[in-house]
Amino acid sequence: GQQVMQIPQYQHVQEGEDFTTYCNSSTTLSNIQWYKQRPGGHPVFLIQLVKSGEVKKQKRLTFQFGEAKKNSSLHITATQTTDVGTYFCAELNTGNQFYFGTGTSLTVIP
Amino acid sequence: EAGVAQSPRYKIIEKRQSVAFWCNPISGHATLYWYQQILGQGPKLLIQFQNNGVVDDSQLPKDRFSAERLKGVDSTLKIQPAKLEDSAVYLCASSFRGHSNYGYTFGSGTRLTVV
Repeated sequence: GQQVMQIPQYQHVQEGEDFTTYCNSSTTLSNIQWYKQRPGGHPVFLIQLVKSGEVKKQKRLTFQFGEAKKNSSLHITATQTTDVGTYFCAELNTGNQFYFGTGTSLTVIP
Repeated sequence: EAGVAQSPRYKIIEKRQSVAFWCNPISGHATLYWYQQILGQGPKLLIQFQNNGVVDDSQLPKDRFSAERLKGVDSTLKIQPAKLEDSAVYLCASSFRGHSNYGYTFGSGTRLTVV
């Protein structure tokens, strides 16, 4: 099955440090979505990116879609303990289903 | 609005037994998905329904897995017989259309342990 690669797989940061996760695809994406999954929880939709080079912000979170629409990133400024969880990107395939990436697990050390 | 409801939350069965999971999507959401999430991995799509019709079940292991959405609302996912490698969280998600700008809404999932 289709798998979107995300890096890094794990990230430990000190509270207050920044965090970035990257999502890479070998194909051009029509759009991409980002989800957050807290430990023991279910994925929760964060945002969708559609346009080449698009940048969207949600408070301390900045989402970016690459110019070639083959990669995307999520950047968190000044992490807090509430940011703990796994962040997934999900890409839309030609059959109109979203395939989830491998995820980046974020640990924030108080 | 009410979220996506799933039951049971947890299930422990022995290998070769059968199990069924139930999902009630958000009212009005025509598209329903079943995902399998193995510990430490991203959710893997098993099957997509549009109303009561199957849109894609290419990743559903049809020798043991089956799913239905008879009236275009609730859905059930069944495994018969279960194998150890089926231990995972089974997530149901729904969306208003095939790929909503508002993303998928997931239920809390059913955690299956096969022993």
